[in-house]
Amino acid sequence: EVQLVESGGGLIQPGGSLRLSCAASGFTVSSNYMSWVRQAPGKGLEWVSVIYSGGSTYYADSVKGRFTISRDNSKNTLYLQMNSLRAEDTAVYYCAFGSGTLDDAFDIWGQGTMVTVSS
Amino acid sequence: EIVLTQSPATLSLSPGERATLSCRASQSVSSYLAWYQQKPGQAPRLLIYDASNRATGIPARFSGSGSGTDFTLTISSLEPEDFAVYYCQQRSNWPPTFTFGPGTKVDIK
Repeated sequence: EVQLVESGGGLIQPGGSLRLSCAASGFTVSSNYMSWVRQAPGKGLEWVSVIYSGGSTYYADSVKGRFTISRDNSKNTLYLQMNSLRAEDTAVYYCAFGSGTLDDAFDIWGQGTMVTVSS
Repeated sequence: EIVLTQSPATLSLSPGERATLSCRASQSVSSYLAWYQQKPGQAPRLLIYDASNRATGIPARFSGSGSGTDFTLTISSLEPEDFAVYYCQQRSNWPPTFTFGPGTKVDIK
């Protein structure tokens, strides 16, 4: 069964750092494009970052220079390193990917992990 | 940067009625347009990809149409479980990034 399980969320002070993990099973993270998508409380979905199978990475302007997406092929896990966190980064963070022949949408999602940035 | 606009913001309908949701892109996205359904406390669920293709397991009452800048998600006859928030999403050709629309809430009239 294809599954994504996020972890690493929590309460962090402004300016702090946090690393989110997304453990994958049933497929290989390096063979697919994988993304992080976030949702602030009561708000809509916001795409955050993507890593493609070839290793290219891209970011939303709102996190560029502060967040880094990466993967560990040996652990079949996706990561999001978040630095210089701000209150507006408070959100549920989902990892997601497009399986099979999908190349422009996300059909598999994790359950999400909550990040709260507050003093 | 491509911006997606969804209308209406809220759609109040009764079970059995037809729902028509709109998504407009600030520039052409070809057919790289997807639709998602999200219920409270749940992750989004992919309904439609490439503007008109239903994802695996999605009922036939959901259909998508459009190309270029104007897209529509139609729910032919609303079931009780269809009351939710719906988002459109596009992928740009270059850079290959993604954008979501602000969402349309379909609630019970």
